[in-house]
Amino acid sequence: EAGVAQSPRYKIIEKRQSVAFWCNPISGHATLYWYQQILGQGPKLLIQFQNNGVVDDSQLPKDRFSAERLKGVDSTLKIQPAKLEDSAVYLCASSPQGDTGELFFGEGSRLTVL
Amino acid sequence: SQKIEQNSEALNIQEGKTATLTCNYTNYSPAYLQWYRQDPGRGPVFLLLIRENEKEKRKERLKVTFDTTLKQSLFHITASQPADSATYLCALPGTGRRALTFGSGTRLQVQP
Repeated sequence: EAGVAQSPRYKIIEKRQSVAFWCNPISGHATLYWYQQILGQGPKLLIQFQNNGVVDDSQLPKDRFSAERLKGVDSTLKIQPAKLEDSAVYLCASSPQGDTGELFFGEGSRLTVL
Repeated sequence: SQKIEQNSEALNIQEGKTATLTCNYTNYSPAYLQWYRQDPGRGPVFLLLIRENEKEKRKERLKVTFDTTLKQSLFHITASQPADSATYLCALPGTGRRALTFGSGTRLQVQP
C-alpha cells in the first residue's frame, strides 16, 4: 500500500515570496491533515479536512496560509507571503474515517525562509 | 487550555536497559492517548493507542500505561537497542475535535 506522498521535500525561499506544498493521502482515507513542525517542537495542527470539507482551521494563519482539497483526494497548502517564522517542516497526514484511528504521515516538506 | 508535557531533555541509556518516557497533560480528560516515533527527517510513525479504560497496553518490547487520575502516560521500551534511538511523541485528541494534539517529544539515545 502506497503511503502519504508529499512534494517538494525541500524548499528555500526569501521572505515575502510564496510557496505551495502538495499532498496525496493514502487511497480511501477520508480525513487529511496539515501539521506544522518547528524544529524542536511537536507537530501543530494547521487544518483538518473531512473529504473536501474543512473540519478545523482554527489554527491556520488565514492572512497568509490557505489550503484546499478540491476533489476530496489530494491537497495543496499555500503560504503567501512567507515570513521568517514560517521556516518549518510541513507534514501531511491522513486517516480512515473514525474517531481514534492512527494518523499516517508523509515524509514532510522542509521550508526554509531567508 | 489543554497542555501536554514531555521531558524536553534527551534520555540517554545503555543498550539492554529499559527506557521510560513520560507524558503529562492538564486541563483535559482524553478518551485515549497515542504514542508515535519520529526519526530525523521523517514523519511520525504510529506505535500504540491506549484508551482511558485501559491501564496498560503492550506490543512486543513496548509497554504503555495510562493513569487518568494522575493525568499521565508512561511509555516503556524494554531491552532497548541502538535502533530504538529516535524522538517519541505522545498525542491526545484535541478538545471538541478529533485531530490529535502532540507533545514536543522526548529524544531517546540508546548507547551500544
